[in-house]
Amino acid sequence: DSGVTQTPKHLITATGQRVTLRCSPRSGDLSVYWYQQSLDQGLQFLIQYYNGEERAKGNILERFSAQQFPDLHSELNLSSLELGDSALYFCASSPRNTEAFFGQGTRLTVV
Amino acid sequence: GQNIDQPTEMTATEGAIVQINCTYQTSGFNGLFWYQQHAGEAPTFLSYNVLDGLEEKGRFSSFLSRSKGYSYLLLKELQMKDSASYLCAVRDNYGQNFVFGPGTRLSVLP
Repeated sequence: DSGVTQTPKHLITATGQRVTLRCSPRSGDLSVYWYQQSLDQGLQFLIQYYNGEERAKGNILERFSAQQFPDLHSELNLSSLELGDSALYFCASSPRNTEAFFGQGTRLTVV
Repeated sequence: GQNIDQPTEMTATEGAIVQINCTYQTSGFNGLFWYQQHAGEAPTFLSYNVLDGLEEKGRFSSFLSRSKGYSYLLLKELQMKDSASYLCAVRDNYGQNFVFGPGTRLSVLP
């Protein structure tokens, strides 16, 4: 158990809908990262937050947004969903200057 | 920009040794990390290098050459359970962000 919690584990929704994925980082970790992994693909970096502030942005679509709250949990919002958004979405957290710890992921299926 | 390259697939035999290479070009550098990922599961941390040289951790070792932008992960005494994808990641020194390579899928055969 990495200490990073993601909910829900699985999500099935229809095209055009909006979903929210939630991540609770390890206790004390200020950085939260979101990654997308499509079938048989690598981890694509979406966005990073550090202590509530956006720190870095990857190839995140305009339909996607995220935030980190004062209690350091983070949410990733995906809207106007398309079939191609079906993927595993991972959250990771880290303290400064050490490795990142990954949650178990949310498997999103858009039908 | 950042570019990380790894071989797509490798095959090795149980009990053997395998070396997985990673080359990178990044605008900043604050460490190179190796992760193991079984299909459909979360990546798990294997090793970390920030200075040149070899880091050994049981059956796993990782090497870094910063001047060459090169790292490798060495797996010894391969076991069937080592069949997985191995991800190389670089941490930049500005945002402390992790950028992952495409991963190497390793198949261990009996």
